[in-house]
Amino acid sequence: DIVLTQSPATLSLSPGDGATLSCRASQSVRTDLAWYQQKPGQPPRLLMFHASKRAAGIPARFSGSGSGTDFTLTISSLEPEDFAVYYCQVRDSLPMYPFGQGTRLEIK
Amino acid sequence: QEQLQESGPGLVKPSQTLSLTCTVTGGPLRSIVYYWSWIRQRPGKGLEWIGYIYENGDTYYNPSLKSRVTMSIDTSKNQFSLEMTSVSAADTAVYYCAKRTTYWFDPWGRGTLVTVSS
Repeated sequence: DIVLTQSPATLSLSPGDGATLSCRASQSVRTDLAWYQQKPGQPPRLLMFHASKRAAGIPARFSGSGSGTDFTLTISSLEPEDFAVYYCQVRDSLPMYPFGQGTRLEIK
Repeated sequence: QEQLQESGPGLVKPSQTLSLTCTVTGGPLRSIVYYWSWIRQRPGKGLEWIGYIYENGDTYYNPSLKSRVTMSIDTSKNQFSLEMTSVSAADTAVYYCAKRTTYWFDPWGRGTLVTVSS
């Protein structure tokens, strides 16, 4: 089974800062990785798929990179609405769709 | 784009069956591309994929829940459903329905909180 490990668990930054969130897979997933943003009381919102492709309507300050087992979500300059929890997700065999445990991006 | 909305009881007694329905608007459920999915989030926890169903009724379930889960689909009503038997407090969660494209999930319903308690 593929296990996704996100780091850090919590990231404290200020508006205007850049943010780097990591997701590591226990085995290679090529570039078959998605990122989601979740705000309190809301469902997750798709940000990225295929590791680096932005979903419709996602601002250009969000970018994704990586392949194999190591992936990064970068937010170039944080806006107040970006403070949320971020999850990565992949496809495993069987099939299965594991999610990472999340990174909480909080205002410093 | 489609919109999804979950419905069903918010309170279920232990050992009973949880039943939820997802209604899809803005697009047909019948599609050769999409799988219609259920995902849950326990309080303060991460996301857990429960399973999904295809337009022809083919289903795929999380092995850890497979023995208790059944999904069904009614394309004439643009609805698909989840049943989970023998629930316990550990099944208390927000349950989301979502559309699976290739391997990612988008869009999601707003979610419905199901509490298992006597």
